[in-house]
Amino acid sequence: EIVLTQSPATLSLSPGESATLSCRASQSVGRSLAWYQQKPGQAPRLLIYGASKRVTGIPARFSGSGSGTDFTLTISSLEPEDFAVYFCQQRTNWLFTFGPGTRVDV
Amino acid sequence: QVLLQQSGPGLVKPSQTLSLTCAISGDSVSRDSGTWNWIRQSPSRGLEWLGRTYLRSQWYDDYAPSLKGRISIKPDTATNRLSLQLSSVTPADTGVYYCVRWPGSSLDGFDIWGPGTVVTVSS
Repeated sequence: EIVLTQSPATLSLSPGESATLSCRASQSVGRSLAWYQQKPGQAPRLLIYGASKRVTGIPARFSGSGSGTDFTLTISSLEPEDFAVYFCQQRTNWLFTFGPGTRVDV
Repeated sequence: QVLLQQSGPGLVKPSQTLSLTCAISGDSVSRDSGTWNWIRQSPSRGLEWLGRTYLRSQWYDDYAPSLKGRISIKPDTATNRLSLQLSSVTPADTGVYYCVRWPGSSLDGFDIWGPGTVVTVSS
């Protein structure tokens, strides 16, 4: 099973600042890496897939990069609604695993 | 607009079977691309993919190795629903259970999630 590690566990920032979230895989996943945002009491929401492709309707301030084992989600200028928990998720063949999450708070 | 409506008991006794249903509107459980999945979330395990079902020339299913033997995911084409059964539950199976779509094709991610069902395993 491929293990995903996310860092940092918590990121304390202010609106307007940029956020850089890291996700590392225990072995290569190519570009089969997605990012999700989750707010309290809600289901996760897909933001990025294929490492860098933004889902329709997701603001351009969200961007993803990376391949192989190292991936990054960048939020260029935090809006108040961006404070949430972010998860990465990989797919290899038909098995899926998620990272433990990074909490972005004020 | 695709909506997933989940139903099922919120409390299950240890050793019994957890049964949940997901009603799909705006899409078909019999779609010929992508898959229908169940994912759960708990403080101790985080987000955990449980399994999936999908139709190609026939119905297929795949399950997380850790659950194989206890889990069954089935489509109901007559009512356009998806079901989850997890047998011999223990308190470790407590969590929020989500019905989730993987659309396939060019979108490689879980794009539609149900609202989640909180399930507690306790006597």
